[in-house]
Amino acid sequence: QTVVTQEPSLTVSPGGTVTLTCASSTGAVTSGYFPNWFQHKPGQAPRAVIYNTNNRHSWTPARFSGSLLGGKAALTLSGVQPEDEAEYHCLLHYGGDWVFGGGTKLTVL
Amino acid sequence: QLQLVQSGAEVKKPGASVRVSCKTSGDTFTTYTIHWVRQAPGQRLEWMGWINAGTGNTKYLQKFQGRVTITRDTAASTAYMEVSSLRFEDTAIYYCASQRSRGWDYWGQGTQVTVSS
Repeated sequence: QTVVTQEPSLTVSPGGTVTLTCASSTGAVTSGYFPNWFQHKPGQAPRAVIYNTNNRHSWTPARFSGSLLGGKAALTLSGVQPEDEAEYHCLLHYGGDWVFGGGTKLTVL
Repeated sequence: QLQLVQSGAEVKKPGASVRVSCKTSGDTFTTYTIHWVRQAPGQRLEWMGWINAGTGNTKYLQKFQGRVTITRDTAASTAYMEVSSLRFEDTAIYYCASQRSRGWDYWGQGTQVTVSS
């Protein structure tokens, strides 16, 4: 069974920079896993922020960026705002199936 | 942009079935793949399966094969997800989400399904 692993929690100061990562139990994550990232706030539906590794949606602020880093997919938030506090989920593609990571709870403090 | 509006909350007994709808508007339904995802209390998001709204082709996570059926009605621009033989552990929020060209984009508001005796 494929497992996708994220940091359970991270804390960042307002205006700071933080990187969230997404690892696959099958090995290095590449662009062929089509990494997607979602922001999820309590009581709301998830909101897509990054698709296909490093592409922002039209509604995604420029402070969000996606990349591949050390064999993992990564989401970097630069100049973090209080409204960025949320859970962030990554999603990877495995030959027709999709697998979510466990989510990273990002606290802005 | 595509808007997805899901049907309302459901309470079902164990062994029953539930069907959740996902009505779309704002863009061409048949150009999208519609995914179904659920989140049980305290658990991670779990992808369940998808339907190509144009062709009707489907793919399911193996654990849901035979118990989950995803369909669509192109005239109504609506996708459906039915879970049969409900168990207590199927209690979750169920979401539909759209995808084009490997990128997931829009999500429905979620539907709470509660399995209770």
